[in-house]
Amino acid sequence: NAGVTQTPKFQVLKTGQSMTLQCAQDMNHEYMSWYRQDPGMGLRLIHYSVGAGITDQGEVPNGYNVSRSTTEDFPLRLLSAAPSQTSVYFCASRYDRSVTEAFFGQGTRLTVV
Amino acid sequence: ELKVEQNPLFLSMQEEKNYTIYCNYSTTSDRLYWYRQDPGKSLESLFVLLSNGAVKQEGRLMASLDTKARLSTLHITAAVHDLSATYFCAVDPSYNNDMRFGAGTRLTVKP
Repeated sequence: NAGVTQTPKFQVLKTGQSMTLQCAQDMNHEYMSWYRQDPGMGLRLIHYSVGAGITDQGEVPNGYNVSRSTTEDFPLRLLSAAPSQTSVYFCASRYDRSVTEAFFGQGTRLTVV
Repeated sequence: ELKVEQNPLFLSMQEEKNYTIYCNYSTTSDRLYWYRQDPGKSLESLFVLLSNGAVKQEGRLMASLDTKARLSTLHITAAVHDLSATYFCAVDPSYNNDMRFGAGTRLTVKP
């Protein structure tokens, strides 16, 4: 059982480049989210999805796009990378909105130069 | 605006000592989560607290929730080195996938 799988684990981008961070889960979870983790700031919610075809913005959505065409996949797109997007990105999923905790991927460490 | 505040942010403990980490939040929520993160690793769920007065224990860690005070505590009993990690609390106030995290408490247990 793979759980939540993120790729790549490390990435260096130049300012202005675009890229997609991949996230897949095999637990049939409806709810998926993207967070970024910066020193001293905990995890901040970027975007989330409550099911296939449904997405919504979190605390810090600017500069990021998401889509949810299947239950399993929830990619995060950086449209035009900026140094302020240097961070560690985590994808999370959970079964439903009621009482379950979230399961996290291993993270993607992104550096924008 | 929802705020989730943890304190202390840094905690250096000696082995066998007891200490408490506090998590305050600014909005009504009857569920709270505690996670552990080891350096360079992902987050691992520790506790899910679902109601006022909820208390859960796992080994040397015990978590409690007071929804009226909007406060959760994570108590560490007789700390050991392998508890060294960063601990996060998170609240889920609107019953959707909108979990908000505190800044984390970096715990170091020294011999």
